[in-house]
Amino acid sequence: SQTIHQWPATLVQPVGSPLSLECTVEGTSNPNLYWYRQAAGRGLQLLFYSVGIGQISSEVPQNLSASRPQDRQFILSSKKLLLSDSGFYLCAWSGKKGASNQPQHFGDGTRLSIL
Amino acid sequence: SQQGEEDPQALSIQEGENATMNCSYKTSINNLQWYRQNSGRGLVHLILIRSNEREKHSGRLRVTLDTSKKSSSLLITASRAADTASYFCATTGANSKLTFGKGITLSVRP
Repeated sequence: SQTIHQWPATLVQPVGSPLSLECTVEGTSNPNLYWYRQAAGRGLQLLFYSVGIGQISSEVPQNLSASRPQDRQFILSSKKLLLSDSGFYLCAWSGKKGASNQPQHFGDGTRLSIL
Repeated sequence: SQQGEEDPQALSIQEGENATMNCSYKTSINNLQWYRQNSGRGLVHLILIRSNEREKHSGRLRVTLDTSKKSSSLLITASRAADTASYFCATTGANSKLTFGKGITLSVRP
């Protein structure tokens, strides 16, 4: 069966420090991968998605970047965190067959607090 | 921008009652999906209904879709305390990307 892992679960970082959040998927190959951010009490905002290794699409201009160095690995990074980067970050994957009618499967998220 | 808008924003019911949550959207869709999120956790996919379907069932869940009114409803029958969570509708357009609403907080009192 397919699983998705995100770590760390919580992270407290000072303003101006770098960031690296990792997400890996097991049990499937060539998935579509997604990074979302969820502000408190709100829905999910799509940050990045990837259809393959090295292929990243950015949805909103921001202080963050994403990379996909391996088929089932998706990394969210920042060189210098801002206070506004605080939030709950979720990684998700979906299959490609009939892509528009595939559900997305989410990790348990990373709670990021910037001090 | 968020396409789906859920209604009500919060719902509190007694265990055993039915819970009905609504979602409206603005543009044409390929499908509409409902997800559940327990506090501090990721989202769990509940059900997907395609634009050419009108009703779908999964266990205690019943989803309807009215494309003429651009709306959907999620019915949870015989609710349980474990159904307490936030529920999100999300729409998929031609680009295969999901657009989420802000969610409904459901509290089921034992």
